[in-house]
Amino acid sequence: LAKTTQPISMDSYEGQEVNITCSHNNIATNDYITWYQQFPSQGPRFIIQGYKTKVTNEVASLFIPADRKSSTLSLPRVSLSDTAVYYCLVNLVGNQGGKLIFGQGTELSVKP
Amino acid sequence: DTAVSQTPKYLVTQMGNDKSIKCEQNLGHDTMYWYKQDSKKFLKIMFSYNNKELIINETVPNRFSPKSPDKAHLNLHINSLELGDSAVYFCASSHSGSAAYEQYFGPGTRLTVT
Repeated sequence: LAKTTQPISMDSYEGQEVNITCSHNNIATNDYITWYQQFPSQGPRFIIQGYKTKVTNEVASLFIPADRKSSTLSLPRVSLSDTAVYYCLVNLVGNQGGKLIFGQGTELSVKP
Repeated sequence: DTAVSQTPKYLVTQMGNDKSIKCEQNLGHDTMYWYKQDSKKFLKIMFSYNNKELIINETVPNRFSPKSPDKAHLNLHINSLELGDSAVYFCASSHSGSAAYEQYFGPGTRLTVT
């Protein structure tokens, strides 16, 4: 069954770097990997997107190995306000064709 | 100037009732989605429409029927509500139906079936 896998939860302290990995073995050849952040009682919002290698923006970096079967979201120097659920989104190829799949989400808790 | 809006934000109803949730986007996108988020935070796509045509229809009960009167609107009608339908429903939109395009989500509708 085509799916994505992320750790259910992670704990960190302010100022640390946090890396969250998502595995997606059956990613569609031409599709991107996108990460979203969700705060309580809000809809998810876009953080970063990439196709291969490394992408960096003002809030995060995204590392994608050559085989593209996984991706790692890196949050540098997290703060309390980074406490949220983080999801990866990919287009997976399966028996029924391409399918947009969100990972089950990683609940990040940042402590002082 | 809300990008993706949903109404209502909260919906409490009894089993067996029929209810609708409305969604509108003013971003000029041509793809819209409905997602269901259960108590375990798992986000599951239900439907996707591109230019008013259904392109994704996951395995959801026939009691759920999406309707897209135009590109800017995608409503969700639910018949004969059941306890298991209790969840948060999110509407989203994007330029296209692949993960390559950023999805903009609405604030969600928390549905409680009693």
